[in-house]
Amino acid sequence: KNEVEQSPQNLTAQEGEFITINCSYSVGISALHWLQQHPGGGIVSLFMLSSGKKKHGRLIATINIQEKHSSLHITASHPRDSAVYICAVRSQKKSSGDKLTFGTGTRLAVRP
Amino acid sequence: DTGVSQDPRHKITKRGQNVTFRCDPISEHNRLYWYRQTLGQGPEFLTYFQNEAQLEKSRLLSDRFSAERPKGSFSTLEIQRTEQGDSAMYLCASRHSPWSPLHFGNGTRLTVT
Repeated sequence: KNEVEQSPQNLTAQEGEFITINCSYSVGISALHWLQQHPGGGIVSLFMLSSGKKKHGRLIATINIQEKHSSLHITASHPRDSAVYICAVRSQKKSSGDKLTFGTGTRLAVRP
Repeated sequence: DTGVSQDPRHKITKRGQNVTFRCDPISEHNRLYWYRQTLGQGPEFLTYFQNEAQLEKSRLLSDRFSAERPKGSFSTLEIQRTEQGDSAMYLCASRHSPWSPLHFGNGTRLTVT
């Protein structure tokens, strides 16, 4: 079992729809990241959170530490939101150092 | 802030050749990371530096891989005697502290023929 699991793997939505992408992890963490990757490889950091909820424009990220679960929501989705969304965690364990463990990503396509 | 810069963007090489990639992080960032990503997968950690010190190296990194950050600024990743399984996107990222967001470069796509 991977340390970080995302669902769904693929998601197609109609423009304007509310989108939810889920991330579950199996280890205690000190931080969780949501990242966006466009075709061609560039990765952009969307959120880094360790508790509660963060909002940036139409994007909202929440985390439940007890349940080891995070969600990324996109409100009023737009075709330009089409990308791969990746969840990554930093383990609490000192032995894990300062590296992130990544999920395999959720490929989102928003149709006009 | 010119962002994280990686060079080259693409590299095609024949099996057995050596290749070297370069990463220029954001100038005030003392932490620099190398990741590898294959098609359909998330990035996998390879190694990271704090200033010029290489603090951790993944078991994924065989003896054919070496990374340096000689003056705590740019970093190089060298792969010796490349194999087809080394074909991947090599991503570099940097940040100021463990509690700040990561900034990624656009990656170097390596194809070993």
